[in-house]
Amino acid sequence: AQSVTQLDSQVPVFEEAPVELRCNYSSSVSVYLFWYVQYPNQGLQLLLKYLSGSTLVKGINGFEAEFNKSQTSFHLRKPSVHISDTAEYFCATNDYKLSFGAGTTVTVRA
Amino acid sequence: KAGVTQTPRYLIKTRGQQVTLSCSPISGHRSVSWYQQTPGQGLQFLFEYFSETQRNKGNFPGRFSGRQFSNSRSEMNVSTLELGDSALYLCASSLDANQPQHFGDGTRLSIL
Repeated sequence: AQSVTQLDSQVPVFEEAPVELRCNYSSSVSVYLFWYVQYPNQGLQLLLKYLSGSTLVKGINGFEAEFNKSQTSFHLRKPSVHISDTAEYFCATNDYKLSFGAGTTVTVRA
Repeated sequence: KAGVTQTPRYLIKTRGQQVTLSCSPISGHRSVSWYQQTPGQGLQFLFEYFSETQRNKGNFPGRFSGRQFSNSRSEMNVSTLELGDSALYLCASSLDANQPQHFGDGTRLSIL
């Protein structure tokens, strides 16, 4: 079964600074990878997805991720964060069901 | 386009009772999946329905069951509730397996 590992449980960052959230996946023949964000008291919102094609994936709210097959990674980045980016972020892979990482809590401070 | 709708948003039950949660998927989506989210175990897959048939099931006891109706709406039932069933239950819909899943805001179930 496919799985993902998020390497950071908490990431504090100052407003307007860049942020990177790290995610490694277990190798498999077909890989579908996703990043979701969860704001307090809400469900999960899809940020971006990698199904195939270009390894640089752009998502909503200025986020992007790079699929790296040799390093089995799918790290999420944003060049300049806002207070409103404070949330929990989940990396996930899909092989009939979503398998999620443990999540990374991002706290943006002014 | 309306998103995934889950009702109710909050529920309080006592041990031994049963509960039914409802999920209305995005129009045109035939796959509905359910997940349990807890601080200790994170997000765990419960089951997935497609065209009224359960296609996949996670590692949960038989007290957790579900069904899907012809209009793709889905319900999840938990019988003989235990304290450990306290969680946020999330429903997600998609066009089919391996397609991006879209989540509702969840039902927060508290067991007293």
